[in-house]
Amino acid sequence: ETGVTQSPTHLIKTRGQQVTLRCSSQSGHNTVSWYQQALGQGPQFIFQYYREEENGRGNFPPRFSGLQFPNYSSELNVNALELDDSALYLCASTSSGGARSYEQYFGPGTRLTVT
Amino acid sequence: AQSVTQLGSHVSVSEGALVLLRCNYSSSVPPYLFWYVQYPNQGLQLLLKYTSAATLVKGINGFEAEFKKSETSFHLTKPSAHMSDAAEYFCAVMFSGGYNKLIFGAGTRLAVHP
Repeated sequence: ETGVTQSPTHLIKTRGQQVTLRCSSQSGHNTVSWYQQALGQGPQFIFQYYREEENGRGNFPPRFSGLQFPNYSSELNVNALELDDSALYLCASTSSGGARSYEQYFGPGTRLTVT
Repeated sequence: AQSVTQLGSHVSVSEGALVLLRCNYSSSVPPYLFWYVQYPNQGLQLLLKYTSAATLVKGINGFEAEFKKSETSFHLTKPSAHMSDAAEYFCAVMFSGGYNKLIFGAGTRLAVHP
């Protein structure tokens, strides 16, 4: 069973630039969630994708957007980067329906630094 | 609104001592509760979950947690700490309203010393 993978591991961008982060969900999982974890804090929910559509969103501005592809992999796009966007971005996958639909499995994260 | 409070941002114990990490939640409906562990420069690993079955939940690596509705608590315990338990621990409640999202506490960093 392949776990959740994310790329790249680390990324350095300049304020105002755009960035794309990628996530491959665990085998058999059809739902992907993205979280932002600032230094010293707990993860904050950004949004969730199911069947290639966003079906839930946290308190993040529209410059945070995403995609989910037919193979359930996902992208997180952030436009007009700000210094406060510097964080660890975590992707989590889950299988909707059934006894384990509440279990979210996390990838190792992408560390984004905005300078 | 649902929220999670973890008491103590840092906890230090001796190897072999009891580990107790505290978590209190607020929720208008019976919640689903989780504990995750994060090792340095890694993602989150699910330790255990409560989903309205047995109130005492056993997880991986010898950890367990007890759901106490009257105290709105879900504290994490381990009878005997090991050096490898040193990590950041996050308690989370699941919001379930058409989609599932986790609401995390701020985390507790556990240090284990010889």
